[in-house]
Amino acid sequence: DAKTTQPPSMDCAEGRAANLPCNHSTISGNEYVYWYRQIHSQGPQYIIHGLKNNETNEMASLIITEDRKSSTLILPHATLRDTAVYYCIVRPRKSGGSNYKLTFGKGTLLTVNP
Amino acid sequence: NAGVTQTPKFRVLKTGQSMTLLCAQDMNHEYMYWYRQDPGMGLRLIHYSVGEGTTAKGEVPDGYNVSRLKKQNFLLGLESAAPSQTSVYFCASSYEVPRTSGEDEQYFGPGTRLTVT
Repeated sequence: DAKTTQPPSMDCAEGRAANLPCNHSTISGNEYVYWYRQIHSQGPQYIIHGLKNNETNEMASLIITEDRKSSTLILPHATLRDTAVYYCIVRPRKSGGSNYKLTFGKGTLLTVNP
Repeated sequence: NAGVTQTPKFRVLKTGQSMTLLCAQDMNHEYMYWYRQDPGMGLRLIHYSVGEGTTAKGEVPDGYNVSRLKKQNFLLGLESAAPSQTSVYFCASSYEVPRTSGEDEQYFGPGTRLTVT
């Protein structure tokens, strides 16, 4: 799986957009970008994923650069409850092989301040 | 719909003792996983299962055994606990999806905090 690089920590003011970057310069053509988050003492929670097009759901937006070497997760109106560690993960899509695991790095600790 | 549940939530063991962690899911997922998370670290895959009656090793399987006798349950066993197994254990599950879809997000349980003294 491709390696990802994320800043160790970021701050954001409540109500503002939080933009979390991720570099994945060695991503290959069949690999998706996934984002999960882990609120303190809880299990990780899926947020969003994408291949090459920008994606949006009720939680966040995912912007992937045209060369797919980096992406940004956007929380449009951050709240205090969004304080968590955010993980960017790159992995192949499931296609009958053994690509089951999620490789979690250290992620980015996002702190939303009042 | 409870999602993924784990039992127990906390446990303290002495070195050499054994125990079993239970994971249950009510989403009819085919795949189930056990991860461990050490302080300040990301999650690492211990074992996983792609269906009832099947299991496979992940990144850090040594010292653990698993069983998937029923589709909804995935058990993680420690036969002889060691202090190095002090960790938070997370269970997860996901669908077996058609090849045309990338929708395979994993749903995680709340974790079991295990301390081995």
